[in-house]
Amino acid sequence: DAGITQSPRHKVTETGTPVTLRCHQTENHRYMYWYRQDPGHGLRLIHYSYGVKDTDKGEVSDGYSVSRSKTEDFLLTLESATSSQTSVYFCAIRAPDTQYFGPGTRLTVL
Amino acid sequence: AQSVTQLDSHVSVSEGTPVLLRCNYSSSYSPSLFWYVQHPNKGLQLLLKYTSAATLVKGINGFEAEFKKSETSFHLTKPSAHMSDAAEYFCVVPDTGNQFYFGTGTSLTVIP
Repeated sequence: DAGITQSPRHKVTETGTPVTLRCHQTENHRYMYWYRQDPGHGLRLIHYSYGVKDTDKGEVSDGYSVSRSKTEDFLLTLESATSSQTSVYFCAIRAPDTQYFGPGTRLTVL
Repeated sequence: AQSVTQLDSHVSVSEGTPVLLRCNYSSSYSPSLFWYVQHPNKGLQLLLKYTSAATLVKGINGFEAEFKKSETSFHLTKPSAHMSDAAEYFCVVPDTGNQFYFGTGTSLTVIP
């Protein structure tokens, strides 16, 4: 158990509303990641962070932003949710060369 | 650039028979490689990892994988499937920076 929690675990929202997902870790790891999982695509990287206030884009970053103001928290924001962002979102940490994942957040955008 | 290809999107085996899940990688160097398992409605759990110490890697729940550089493969095997092995399996390769690349997954069905 890498001490990773995600909140909320489930969320239903409407198109056009902002949504923020939170990833929290208890072990002070430097690297944190946000992925989305969709059938037939595996996991695709949205954004990652390599330190407080240090972030970079992944393969599918359009429509998403992130923030990391504390080592333990990595936030993913959908500024204006769309139906194409309905997915399961996973947070991960890297320690030191292996990723460990949170339990996931299932997001439905109606 | 690094990438992985999981050659089968679905594999079905009978309980008690061997499991083979295939993964080929593309890398400009000898990489680390990982297998993760995801049970229905769960997160991803590390099954095993290769980090160049030994080409045959043993993981949890009786799984193992062999790194074959000449074939650029890292296939996952288990001698005898159990019902609890039914899950999605992902092969993963990191790049030289900070990113990890996932295969599209193999869904394993175990038939009683």
